[in-house]
Amino acid sequence: GENVEQHPSTLSVQEGDSAVIKCTYSDSASNYFPWYKQELGKGPQLIIDIRSNVGEKKDQRIAVTLNKTAKHFSLHITETQPEDSAVYFCAEGEDSSYKLIFGSGTRLLVRP
Amino acid sequence: NAGVTQTPKFQVLKTGQSMTLQCAQDMNHNSMYWYRQDPGMGLRLIYYSASEGTTDKGEVPNGYNVSRLNKREFSLRLESAAPSQTSVYFCASRVTGMDGYTFGSGTRLTVV
Repeated sequence: GENVEQHPSTLSVQEGDSAVIKCTYSDSASNYFPWYKQELGKGPQLIIDIRSNVGEKKDQRIAVTLNKTAKHFSLHITETQPEDSAVYFCAEGEDSSYKLIFGSGTRLLVRP
Repeated sequence: NAGVTQTPKFQVLKTGQSMTLQCAQDMNHNSMYWYRQDPGMGLRLIYYSASEGTTDKGEVPNGYNVSRLNKREFSLRLESAAPSQTSVYFCASRVTGMDGYTFGSGTRLTVV
């Protein structure tokens, strides 16, 4: 069945360092991979997404990489800032399905 | 530009009581979703509506019912609340196809 494994569950970094969160999926038909950021008391917010015809996508300090052969994708945050502290969720989906399957989340803490 | 609006934000129910969680979006999105979020388990899909007039079960539908009242509104009903339904509930919507969701701010439900 559909499944997304996300690691690590918690991550603590020093301000200015990089943070990497990894997700592995099982459905070879998956072709859409978004990442969401959830701040305390709020709903998740889409921060970046990638489709299967692209290996990497960047938006300022965040980037996502996709390895379809190995069925994993990663979120990279460079030059981390305290406001990056939040819970991050990966997800996967495919064109024939209307729904996204989410990972279990990573709590990122950026220490000043 | 309200996006996705959920009501209420907080609710405490006694076991066996019923209630309806309301969700409305003003972005002319076709698809709408209800997820629940529990610690360490990420976001799990309860029900979704791919388009007006259709609803389908997600991963954890037992104990819930939904109604797609019109294109804007998608409600979630608990007929007989149980402590296991204590959770944070999120409504989401998207235009169609493979695109990111827009989430509401959530309803925190406690069943005692």
